[in-house]
Amino acid sequence: SAVISQKPSRDICQRGTSLTIQCQVDSQVTMMFWYRQQPGQSLTLIATANQGSEATYESGFVIDKFPISRPNLTFSTLTVSNMSPEDSSIYLCSGGGASGKLFFGSGTQLSVL
Amino acid sequence: RKEVEQDPGPFNVPEGATVAFNCTYSNSASQSFFWYRQDCRKEPKLLMSVYSSGNEDGRFTAQLNRASQYISLLIRDSKLSDSATYLCVVNTNAGKSTFGDGTTLTVKP
Repeated sequence: SAVISQKPSRDICQRGTSLTIQCQVDSQVTMMFWYRQQPGQSLTLIATANQGSEATYESGFVIDKFPISRPNLTFSTLTVSNMSPEDSSIYLCSGGGASGKLFFGSGTQLSVL
Repeated sequence: RKEVEQDPGPFNVPEGATVAFNCTYSNSASQSFFWYRQDCRKEPKLLMSVYSSGNEDGRFTAQLNRASQYISLLIRDSKLSDSATYLCVVNTNAGKSTFGDGTTLTVKP
């Protein structure tokens, strides 16, 4: 399976600021997704990153708060905007294809003070 | 009701034990099914796909019952290295994956 490089691996940010997380895949992938994982909980899908067009957001997530880019089939970014302590979480990007199998980046642990 | 529900656990078993995890899903239109493993502070990794005919990979056996909307994972001869959280994942035909909350397994010497 493909390998995703995700960075940063962790960051501590001040409230009101923004952080952009990057994911680079070592091969082209059909689909890329962004997830959030709160401590002790499972993964919640934020959005599907669509190549060359606006991302598809899940209920409870909006573009103004979590703008996503996917300029090509190997790269995507997620920005967490105007951060508050409630945004403290692990953010994970993933890639997949028609099989439905997913592979993940190593995650970004975000702490907002 | 959650779309994917798993045994809450945790499961604490001795080495060599057999342990089974259960999972149910609510969307009858779900297309594909998987078990993932997540180690502490790591990303999830695909463990195995799940098919109606059942599939086995070494000590791991997965089974799907579409009529009951039920998925299982059986681990035989547990090893210390099997300690992890096991996530049940269900996909719709839109390609969206829904994760269960996970079941934590601790295998003790």
